[in-house]
Amino acid sequence: GAVVSQHPSRVICKSGTSVKIECRSLDFQATTMFWYRQFPKQSLMLMATSNEGSKATYEQGVEKDKFLINHASLTLSTLTVTSAHPEDSSFYICSASSGTGRNTEAFFGQGTRLTVV
Amino acid sequence: GESVGLHLPTLSVQEGDNSIINCAYSNSASDYFIWYKQESGKGPQFIIDIRSNMDKRQGQRVTVLLNKTVKHLSLQIAATQPGDSAVYFCAENRGSARQLTFGSGTQLTVLP
Repeated sequence: GAVVSQHPSRVICKSGTSVKIECRSLDFQATTMFWYRQFPKQSLMLMATSNEGSKATYEQGVEKDKFLINHASLTLSTLTVTSAHPEDSSFYICSASSGTGRNTEAFFGQGTRLTVV
Repeated sequence: GESVGLHLPTLSVQEGDNSIINCAYSNSASDYFIWYKQESGKGPQFIIDIRSNMDKRQGQRVTVLLNKTVKHLSLQIAATQPGDSAVYFCAENRGSARQLTFGSGTQLTVLP
């Protein structure tokens, strides 16, 4: 099956610093990538949708200046949490799809645990 | 607004028994649903999907039932095994290419 890899799997950063999370599709070209956030014992919430070469579309309530998303190639999308604060501590998960059609499957990465201290 | 929710937050079953996990959705226009399994510290793992033109779909040890009249779907796991212990989410495909709305999740615990 298709493989989506996230890096790092865990990261601890100091409050006020920025941290970058990478999402790579290893064996297919990802036209569309999605970023989700998951707080402990809660569900996944979609943060943004990014299409290669275009600006990301953010969900309501997600600050685009705080969560910078870059999808510059067909195999890589990055999420940068800027000026991180403890309340940004969460599990961030990406998924990647090879197309934009409704029937195109998407595959999830293994997630990145961010802890802001 | 659109929402996908679950009836039970936790479920404990004896090893070997069958498990049933339920999910309710509110958007009657929803036409595609997916069940995911998530183990601790990992991303969601696809289990099975179903389209709205079906009311039942079977996989290996799993069955998904869809009742569009009451906007309800369920996941049945046969002969539950310890490795089935995880959180299970239903998800609704809200747009193109798997832009998903997830339910709140059910923690399944398999007892020895």
